[in-house]
Amino acid sequence: AQTVTQSQPEMSVQEAETVTLSCTYDTSENNYYLFWYKQPPSRQMILVIRQEAYKQQNATENRFSVNFQKAAKSFSLKISDSQLGDTAMYFCAFMKHDDKIIFGKGTRLHILP
Amino acid sequence: NAGVMQNPRHLVRRRGQEARLRCSPMKGHSHVYWYRQLPEEGLKFMVYLQKENIIDESGMPKERFSAEFPKEGPSILRIQQVVRGDSAAYFCASSSRDRGNEQFFGPGTRLTVL
Repeated sequence: AQTVTQSQPEMSVQEAETVTLSCTYDTSENNYYLFWYKQPPSRQMILVIRQEAYKQQNATENRFSVNFQKAAKSFSLKISDSQLGDTAMYFCAFMKHDDKIIFGKGTRLHILP
Repeated sequence: NAGVMQNPRHLVRRRGQEARLRCSPMKGHSHVYWYRQLPEEGLKFMVYLQKENIIDESGMPKERFSAEFPKEGPSILRIQQVVRGDSAAYFCASSSRDRGNEQFFGPGTRLTVL
């Protein structure tokens, strides 16, 4: 069975700083997808970034980028130039093709003014 | 194109009552997933449905919970005889094979059992 582990329950950084959220996962699959979701106080699940396991290049979306290490089963999220609006819960997630999503327990991120 | 819609957004029930949660997928989506989020937890998969079929219900509690996705109308997650431990946020997501498996999430229904 697949598992997703986020080892940082809570983090705080100053506005404009860079922060990295850690995620490791366990699977015997070779082809899969990895995601980072943001959940602000509104509780809406917002897809931040997505990575296909067969792609070696790390995904990037504006200030958000990932460090995908397939052999190490590691998938960290880097937020550059952090903004107050980045304050939220962040969930790392795993999905096989056409299957359910498995979420980590989340990291609560506070961006401090 | 409207996103995934869930209603009600908030639902309060007393112990022993029934809760019905509705999910209307995005237009053209025929796959629906239900997830539950307990307080201070991540989302946990409950059930995966396609039109008129349950594909995977491995995350559903064995009793009191059921789900359907009829040919016409929204998907329904039904919880009978609710207990306090059912209090949670229930999220629906929909996908279409044409979109490369991406699941689009609804805003969730927060169920409170008194």
